Amino acid sequence: DIQMTQSPSSLSASVGDRVTITCRASQGISNSLAWYQQKPGKAPKLLLYAASRLKSGVPSRFSGSGSGTDYTLTISSLQPEDFATYYCQQYYSTPQTFGQGTKVEIK
Amino acid sequence: EVQLVESGGGLLQPGGSLRLSCAASGFTFSSYAMSWVRQAPGKGLGWVSKISNSGGTTYYADSVKGRFTISRDNSKNTLYLQMNSLRAEDTAVYYCAKASDYGDFFDYWGQGTLVTVSS
Repeated sequence: DIQMTQSPSSLSASVGDRVTITCRASQGISNSLAWYQQKPGKAPKLLLYAASRLKSGVPSRFSGSGSGTDYTLTISSLQPEDFATYYCQQYYSTPQTFGQGTKVEIK
Repeated sequence: EVQLVESGGGLLQPGGSLRLSCAASGFTFSSYAMSWVRQAPGKGLGWVSKISNSGGTTYYADSVKGRFTISRDNSKNTLYLQMNSLRAEDTAVYYCAKASDYGDFFDYWGQGTLVTVSS
């Protein structure tokens, strides 16, 4: 199975900050990476796929990059509604595996 | 509008059985693979099982292989998860999730149903 390691596990940031979350795969995944946002008590929501493609309707302050084994999610200017937990997921091979999550909290 | 509505969760004792359902609407159900993903209380997401659009191919996480069975009824637009020999570590919110047109990630999720295994 491909292991996904996210960092940091949590971070504190202020509205307007630029935030970056990283995700490392245990082997190359050829950009087969998705990012999800989850708020407490709610189901996850897809933000990006193919490492950098924004799902329709997702604000452009969210962006993704990376290749091979290393990927990043960037929020260019954190908004109040962005405080949540973010997960990466590789879909290069089954079982699809998730990172352990990054909780973005208000500073 | 795509909708996925899970049902069937509850409280049961170790060793028990339960069947979860996921009613789908707003898309051509028979065209998409579907998965179950779970989340233990306070923990991260864990993929459980996947079924092809026709139902002919299934996959399972090692932790549930031999105990859980995924199935679907395309005439009823419904996904199922039969859970047998339940353990305390199966306690989680179970989400059904729809595969995307662009890859084996999930573009829509249900609201989840809670399964609690406790004596």
